[in-house]
Amino acid sequence: GAVVSQHPSRVICKSGTSVKIECRSLDFQATTMFWYRQFPKQSLMLMATSNEGSKATYEQGVEKDKFLINHASLTLSTLTVTSAHPEDSSFYICSVLDRGQTQYFGPGTRLLVL
Amino acid sequence: QKEVEQDPGPLSVPEGAIVSLNCTYSNSAFQYFMWYRQYSRKGPELLMYTYSSGNKEDGRFTAQVDKSSKYISLFIRDSQPSDSATYLCAFLNSGGGADGLTFGKGTHLIIQP
Repeated sequence: GAVVSQHPSRVICKSGTSVKIECRSLDFQATTMFWYRQFPKQSLMLMATSNEGSKATYEQGVEKDKFLINHASLTLSTLTVTSAHPEDSSFYICSVLDRGQTQYFGPGTRLLVL
Repeated sequence: QKEVEQDPGPLSVPEGAIVSLNCTYSNSAFQYFMWYRQYSRKGPELLMYTYSSGNKEDGRFTAQVDKSSKYISLFIRDSQPSDSATYLCAFLNSGGGADGLTFGKGTHLIIQP
């Protein structure tokens, strides 16, 4: 399966600051990547679909101006949480879609906003 | 009715037992069925991927899909302590991989040595 990395693995920031999370596809070029969020004891929830070279598609209820997604290359997608607040504290996970239509997940980024 | 129902557990069984994990779903558009394993503080890892009703076996794991009942199962034979993790069922609609997955909440499985 595809190898996916995320950076950073953990981040702690102050309320009001912005945080950027990187998702990289290490062994193949991914046209489509996904961003999910997982709160404690909850399911993974899709936030947005990131397509290389075009604007991301956001799920209902996800603020596109707060969660900025940039898929500038076939191996990198970034999620920027702008003006983060404590309620944004969560586990953010990306996935890449391979040619066989299977999603492979990164290790996740744990965000804590103080 | 929720789109996916999955018992969160925890489910605790002795080593060597057969484990049965289940999900029910309501969306008839779901055509692809997956099971992911997630260790604490890690990203999900794909275990099984099935399309049609019936059984699919891979080593100690067997995935079962019953589309008529909208019910999927994952069986783990000869369970090991290393199988202790959260198991997530996931679904994809007939649109294919370009859509995001819909996940169950996950079942926390504990295999006792």
